[in-house]
Amino acid sequence: NAGVTQTPKFQVLKTGQSMTLQCAQDMNHNSMYWYRQDPGMGLRLIYYSASEGTTDKGEVPNGYNVSRLNKREFSLRLESAAPSQTSVYFCASPSGVTYEQYFGPGTRLTVT
Amino acid sequence: GQSLEQPSEVTAVEGAIVQINCTYQTSGFYGLSWYQQHDGGAPTFLSYNGLDGLEETGRFSSFLSRSDSYGYLLLQELQMKDSASYFCAVRDGDNFNKFYFGSGTKLNVKP
Repeated sequence: NAGVTQTPKFQVLKTGQSMTLQCAQDMNHNSMYWYRQDPGMGLRLIYYSASEGTTDKGEVPNGYNVSRLNKREFSLRLESAAPSQTSVYFCASPSGVTYEQYFGPGTRLTVT
Repeated sequence: GQSLEQPSEVTAVEGAIVQINCTYQTSGFYGLSWYQQHDGGAPTFLSYNGLDGLEETGRFSSFLSRSDSYGYLLLQELQMKDSASYFCAVRDGDNFNKFYFGSGTKLNVKP
């Protein structure tokens, strides 16, 4: 039981390049989330998927797209990376029973 | 909107007790959660308070006062490994599926 997994762990992009961050959970949860965390700050919600087949914008969705591929997988795409998107990205999946969110290990993205 | 305020940094000595406060403003309220994050790591869940009062889990306790829109995390018998950032979090009062996090309190435990 791996919980929440993310790939890649690290990535360096040039401005304008695109990439997709992958997330998978094996806890059979309905909801999945993408957050970004900038130095010295809390987590800000980018997009979430409350159930398979649905996605919604969070607090900071501009510059990102998401796909809920199936119940297990939720990907985050940067179509044209910008230096302002340099951050650590966390995928999370909350339990529907408790309020606990389970986080993946994070992807450290640098855009130059 | 929702907002949460926490002190940015707290320093305490090993073996001591420390309290990390969180005040929040939400349009509705579904409870207050606390997370721990070590440098370079992912946040991990510590506790949840849905009702007023104290919840205890080992050395950690969390308190909530809904009338004061205030909660705190209490860490007892501090250990060096407790050095980390601590975040409070709430659900959006208008959209149950959205979560908001405070900016975090960095706890430095000194020997």
